[in-house]
Amino acid sequence: EAQVTQNPRYLITVTGKKLTVTCSQNMNHEYMSWYRQDPGLGLRQIYYSMNVEVTDKGDVPEGYKVSRKEKRNFPLILESPSPNQTSLYFCASSTTSPGNLKANVLTFGAGSRLTVL
Amino acid sequence: SQQGEEDPQALSIQEGENATMNCSYKTSINNLQWYRQNSGRGLVHLILIRSNEREKHSGRLRVTLDTSKKSSSLLITASRAADTASYICAPADRGSTLGRLYFGRGTQLTVWP
Repeated sequence: EAQVTQNPRYLITVTGKKLTVTCSQNMNHEYMSWYRQDPGLGLRQIYYSMNVEVTDKGDVPEGYKVSRKEKRNFPLILESPSPNQTSLYFCASSTTSPGNLKANVLTFGAGSRLTVL
Repeated sequence: SQQGEEDPQALSIQEGENATMNCSYKTSINNLQWYRQNSGRGLVHLILIRSNEREKHSGRLRVTLDTSKKSSSLLITASRAADTASYICAPADRGSTLGRLYFGRGTQLTVWP
């Protein structure tokens, strides 16, 4: 089944304890992206990747890191989590970037609910 | 803001009725995408309409796009209780870097049995 898999789905952690949220897709997609969703706001992009070893900042990159060493994986790293990073996180992928003339829809993961105390 | 803005914020209808949701945006776009989100869950794509298209259909869904008015509408015909969800539009900004979709806050649709 074509899908985007995120782990963990739920996590409660404490301020300053490094954590990684993994994201993996099995569709050979070039484009991958991380979003966060907070109450009353639309999804905001954290980082995106156009292909292996090509990543760029979205609208809210502060406090996050990403890497794209393999096409299928795009982990999100919080080096020193803070309470304002408590949020619902989504990973998504697509054949190419949304702004491309041949753009396709995004396939989303189920989400990772993170609480930082 | 470059994000899509849905209207109304909430819509409540009976099963069998049609539901119409609107989306406005402010910039030039390459395409506009509609997604559905059940409470707290992942987004599911519904339709992508490109800037050179005016209307698109998929099952009970009909999407229109008016680039001169910078607006789009999503029509769900013969609604069912299972259609209850948030419907979110996302314009792909032509002027931004290639990686950007700007998601709105969504229209919360409730369909009563």
